[in-house]
Amino acid sequence: KNQVEQSPQSLIILEGKNCTLQCNYTVSPFSNLRWYKQDTGRGPVSLTIMTFSENTKSNGRYTATLDADTKQSSLHITASQLSDSASYICVVRSRGSTLGRLYFGRGTQLTVWP
Amino acid sequence: DAGVTQSPTHLIKTRGQQVTLRCSPKSGHDTVSWYQQALGQGPQFIFQYYEEEERQRGNFPDRFSGHQFPNYSSELNVNALLLGDSALYLCASSLDRAMGEQFFGPGTRLTVL
Repeated sequence: KNQVEQSPQSLIILEGKNCTLQCNYTVSPFSNLRWYKQDTGRGPVSLTIMTFSENTKSNGRYTATLDADTKQSSLHITASQLSDSASYICVVRSRGSTLGRLYFGRGTQLTVWP
Repeated sequence: DAGVTQSPTHLIKTRGQQVTLRCSPKSGHDTVSWYQQALGQGPQFIFQYYEEEERQRGNFPDRFSGHQFPNYSSELNVNALLLGDSALYLCASSLDRAMGEQFFGPGTRLTVL
């Protein structure tokens, strides 16, 4: 069964600190993995996309890693800011014969305190 | 360049009623997908429209139906509303139905009383 599991479910950190969010997946065949940021009541916005051959990709203070062998990904946030408070969702796309399906994790709710 | 837009922003209905949600895709996009997101959960795939036809469907009952118009905009219809249908409904558009990045709209918050 194709699944995406994220941990932790929620996280509270102080402003300026770093944190790492985890994503494990069983989706196969694998096409790509995206990390999205979703502010409360808003639609998700893509942060990074990782394909099978990519190990690390950065977008400002966000750095995503992918280990396709163990089917694990992480999102590292450096020097957190209050505006980083949001839900971070891991989304894996399967490679289908006609349509690529998206599989969503439940998200990690990050709260940054001043 | 306008992104994905959805209307209305919020909606309150009672059980048994019917609702229609609307989505305009990002300029140049031809594929629209709909998702249901319950509070504290990840989005759940409802269905995808391409060339005015439903191309793929998730595990949702027939009460959930949709339509895509020639201008690529789309509607999501839900009949016989249940309390459990209360959620954020997200629309996402993409250029290529198999590989293109999906851009999400702000969502419609549906509350069923």
